[in-house]
Amino acid sequence: NAGVTQTPKFQVLKTGQSMTLQCAQDMNHEYMSWYRQDPGMGLRLIHYSVGAGITDQGEVPNGYNVSRSTTEDFPLRLLSAAPSQTSVYFCASSSRPFEGNSPLHFGNGTRLTVT
Amino acid sequence: KNEVEQSPQNLTAQEGEFITINCSYSVGISALHWLQQHPGGGIVSLFMLSSGKKKHGRLIATINIQEKHSSLHITASHPRDSAVYICAVRSASGSRLTFGEGTQLTVNP
Repeated sequence: NAGVTQTPKFQVLKTGQSMTLQCAQDMNHEYMSWYRQDPGMGLRLIHYSVGAGITDQGEVPNGYNVSRSTTEDFPLRLLSAAPSQTSVYFCASSSRPFEGNSPLHFGNGTRLTVT
Repeated sequence: KNEVEQSPQNLTAQEGEFITINCSYSVGISALHWLQQHPGGGIVSLFMLSSGKKKHGRLIATINIQEKHSSLHITASHPRDSAVYICAVRSASGSRLTFGEGTQLTVNP
């Protein structure tokens, strides 16, 4: 049971480049989400999904796109990378989000640097 | 003011000490999570609470819904407990999580 798998672990981009951060879970979780973690700040929600075909914006969605074509996968796309997007990105999943009774499972994170 | 406030921001203890980390929040919630982030960066879920108290080994988490406050206690602390402890609240709708900034705990031998 792999849990939540994030790839890549590290990435360096030049300003203006695009890339996709991959997130996959094998627990049949309905809820998946992306966060960024910056020094001195708590994790901030970028986008989330409550099921296949359903996505919504979080606290800091600008510059990022997501899609949820399957239950398992929730990729995060940076269309035109900017230095302000240098951060550590975490994907997380859980089941039964609306019942509030489901623990979170996190991926190991992706450290992204935009130069 | 942040919706989720943790205190203290940093905590240094000697091995064996009893440790308390606090979390206060200002919004209605469906659940509260305590997470542990290791120096390597991985994040692990410790507890999920919607009421009362939970215990797992040396860790105890409590929540007071009326006072919008939760505490994480570590009994007989050990150097391997050194990590960042993060409080997160799930919105009343269940769809959003808001995180505190974390408490850096260092336990010295």
